[in-house]
Amino acid sequence: GENVEQHPSTLSVQEGDSAVIKCTYSDSASNYFPWYKQELGKRPQLIIDIRSNVGEKKDQRIAVTLNKTAKHFSLHITETQPEDSAVYFCAAIPSGNTPLVFGKGTRLSVIA
Amino acid sequence: DAGVIQSPRHEVTEMGQEVTLRCKPISGHNSLFWYRQTMMRGLELLIYFNNNVPIDDSGMPEDRFSAKMPNASFSTLKIQPSEPRDSAVYFCASSYQGTDTQYFGPGTRLTVL
Repeated sequence: GENVEQHPSTLSVQEGDSAVIKCTYSDSASNYFPWYKQELGKRPQLIIDIRSNVGEKKDQRIAVTLNKTAKHFSLHITETQPEDSAVYFCAAIPSGNTPLVFGKGTRLSVIA
Repeated sequence: DAGVIQSPRHEVTEMGQEVTLRCKPISGHNSLFWYRQTMMRGLELLIYFNNNVPIDDSGMPEDRFSAKMPNASFSTLKIQPSEPRDSAVYFCASSYQGTDTQYFGPGTRLTVL
């Protein structure tokens, strides 16, 4: 089945710097890749997603890129702010009628 | 829309007691998922339903865990008997289709003493 690997597991950046989180997946037929943000004590919330017919998608300070050939996708956060501190999960939907497979998460700390 | 609703938000119980967690999915969603989250194991999918039918329960840790979805707007996750290692946050999520974006409820923080 699908396997999603996420790196790094922890990431610390200075406020204002950029942060990049990378994920790889194993099922070449996967076609939907959402990213979730989970603040401490809260639920995971969808922040951005990308489908396999698109290479890049942006929403203000966040962007996601997808490389289908290499089977990896990345989350980019620019001009980081303390409120970006959270755990970020990537996910992929494999082929067939199966649900999301999540990565293990990245704990991002933005240092003021 | 109120989003996915879970109850209770916090549950503290003693080992051996029965625990029932409840979930109401977003109206119109036909897929429902139960997850468990711990620091050690991360976010684990326990079971999911499509159109009220359990599709995959391979994530259910043992026979002490059971889940039901009697109708499109209600699901329960039951642990009987509960053990301290069951302490975790349990999330319910729903989606329009099983392979679409999932929306999470606020979670139930379970503590088994």
